Amino acid sequence: DQQVKQNSPSLSVQEGRISILNCDYTNSMFDYFLWYKKYPAEGPTFLISISSIKDKNEDGRFTVFLNKSAKHLSLHIVPSQPGDSAVYFCAASAPDQGAQKLVFGQGTRLTINP
Amino acid sequence: DADVTQTPRNRITKTGKRIMLECSQTKGHDRMYWYRQDPGLGLRLIYYSFDVKDINKGEISDGYSVSRQAQAKFSLSLESAIPNQTALYFCATSELAGLGDTQYFGPGTRLTVL
Repeated sequence: DQQVKQNSPSLSVQEGRISILNCDYTNSMFDYFLWYKKYPAEGPTFLISISSIKDKNEDGRFTVFLNKSAKHLSLHIVPSQPGDSAVYFCAASAPDQGAQKLVFGQGTRLTINP
Repeated sequence: DADVTQTPRNRITKTGKRIMLECSQTKGHDRMYWYRQDPGLGLRLIYYSFDVKDINKGEISDGYSVSRQAQAKFSLSLESAIPNQTALYFCATSELAGLGDTQYFGPGTRLTVL
């Protein structure tokens, strides 16, 4: 039972354009959401996060939007750069006996074309 | 120097063999995690530890065991490896900050069980 879903395995975008990566979740108890970026032969690295009390968080070229009623979040990258080519994972956490664990989506491979 | 290191980085072993994957961190975090990544499934939590005396099963703990030797060290063992344990394994650490629990990942261990 996949609680966090990234339905697009891959996405190809032209350099300079906007990249939009999507993520859906089913557990209404999730209260914190994160995006991770992963290059080949490296571990995932934290990119940006958002708590459920907000609907938008921005950090430079990266913006995450959260729509709680639709149980949907998205990551916008503007403008897209070749170095953004990577696999992107969304993740969510919910309180669990005072602790928190992350549930990951399947990942979306983003390719930025020159 | 990397904050989270994993050894070995690559390992090929045979069915039935015992194997240990090691993780060390210099971030000073109390919380440590083991995940496996499989194509199309994202990262799934195997075990996690919130301090040296606290070990918890994750989503897919069957066939695995762990040892938290010190705050900085967390090892994952496969007592009798089987081919469907072939995967990319990641160790992660975190410290709780506000609402969120941002995790920091090691570079991964690619394990192949023949």
